Amino acid sequence: NAGVTQTPKFQVLKTGQSMTLQCAQDMNHNSMYWYRQDPGMGLRLIYYSASEGTTDKGEVPNGYNVSRLNKREFSLRLESAAPSQTSVYFCASSRGTVATNEKLFFGSGTQLSVL
Amino acid sequence: RKEVEQDPGPFNVPEGATVAFNCTYSNSASQSFFWYRQDCRKEPKLLMSVYSSGNEDGRFTAQLNRASQYISLLIRDSKLSDSATYLCVVMGYSSASKIIFGSGTRLSIRP
Repeated sequence: NAGVTQTPKFQVLKTGQSMTLQCAQDMNHNSMYWYRQDPGMGLRLIYYSASEGTTDKGEVPNGYNVSRLNKREFSLRLESAAPSQTSVYFCASSRGTVATNEKLFFGSGTQLSVL
Repeated sequence: RKEVEQDPGPFNVPEGATVAFNCTYSNSASQSFFWYRQDCRKEPKLLMSVYSSGNEDGRFTAQLNRASQYISLLIRDSKLSDSATYLCVVMGYSSASKIIFGSGTRLSIRP
């Protein structure tokens, strides 16, 4: 079972470059999330999608955009990368809507460095 | 004050020892509580949910104290494979923005 698949695993960008992180889940989950994890800090929510066709901002949305392409896929785009966006990014999904507080399944992460 | 706080550790204990760590949360309206485990450079994975009455899963025991607003994780007979970072997760109701992760407690088990 693939679960949640993220690509790429590693990426190095120059300041000002753009890129899209891809995420897909094969568990027929309704909700999907993008988090970033920085040293000494908990995972912080960037954006989430409670269902196909909806997206909402999380705690740290500035500098990012998202697309819930269909029920399976939720992509994260950096339009103009900045060094402050150097981080490890995790995509996650959960079966229900966010109101049900169900467990999260995570992808393996993307290590992004912005020079 | 952070919404969810954990002692970052590291906790360095010998194999076979019992170790416990707490996680405090500030929002008394929090609804659900979980412990996740994260190995170095890997994704977090659910270890166990935390129920009001306390719950046990093998060597792991989780407890919730709503009055003092903390949850705890106890690991008995620790194994080398228990070395990891343990993340406390506190969830509110009806919004993904109310899923708050602690920064984690690092545990290292030595032979």
